[in-house]
Amino acid sequence: DAGVTQSPTHLIKTRGQQVTLRCSPKSGHDTVSWYQQALGQGPQFIFQYYEEEERQRGNFPDRFSGHQFPNYSSELNVNALLLGDSALYLCASSLDGYNEKLFFGSGTQLSVL
Amino acid sequence: GIQVEQSPPDLILQEGANSTLRCNFSDSVNNLQWFHQNPWGQLINLFYIPSGTKQNGRLSATTVATERYSLLYISSSQTTDSGVYFCAVKAGTALIFGKGTTLSVSS
Repeated sequence: DAGVTQSPTHLIKTRGQQVTLRCSPKSGHDTVSWYQQALGQGPQFIFQYYEEEERQRGNFPDRFSGHQFPNYSSELNVNALLLGDSALYLCASSLDGYNEKLFFGSGTQLSVL
Repeated sequence: GIQVEQSPPDLILQEGANSTLRCNFSDSVNNLQWFHQNPWGQLINLFYIPSGTKQNGRLSATTVATERYSLLYISSSQTTDSGVYFCAVKAGTALIFGKGTTLSVSS
């Protein structure tokens, strides 16, 4: 039973560029959430996707956008990258998304130079 | 919004020692989870414990929802227990994380 998988594991970009991160949820899960974790901090909620729609959004600018596909996989897109976007980006999956255990992927480490 | 505070921020133990980590939250919740983040960044879900007590091997957790706190107990600690322990509570569909407790276990 595959867990949550994310790609790529590491990424280096320059300021102003755009980036796309990918996530496949755990088998049987239909809900995907994205989190940003800065160094030394706890993860911060970006948004959640359910039934291919954004269900809830955290305090992140519109430069952060996402998509969920019919097979429940998801993408996180970040436009006009800033140095402050450098962080570990974590994808989590669950069933339903409200009162279920979350399972996290290993993350994508994004460095913006 | 809801606030989550964890204590202590750092903990250093010798192998075999026991420890208690605390999580206080500012509002009533119906979903509380404990995670362990290993040195490679992987977040492992330890417990889903909105109330009551659960045990899993050397780890156990207790949540007293009416008093807005949760405790994570680690007994007979091992070097592989090292890492950061996070408490997180649900606000809508979002998990709100505390800043974590960094645990270092030496042999």
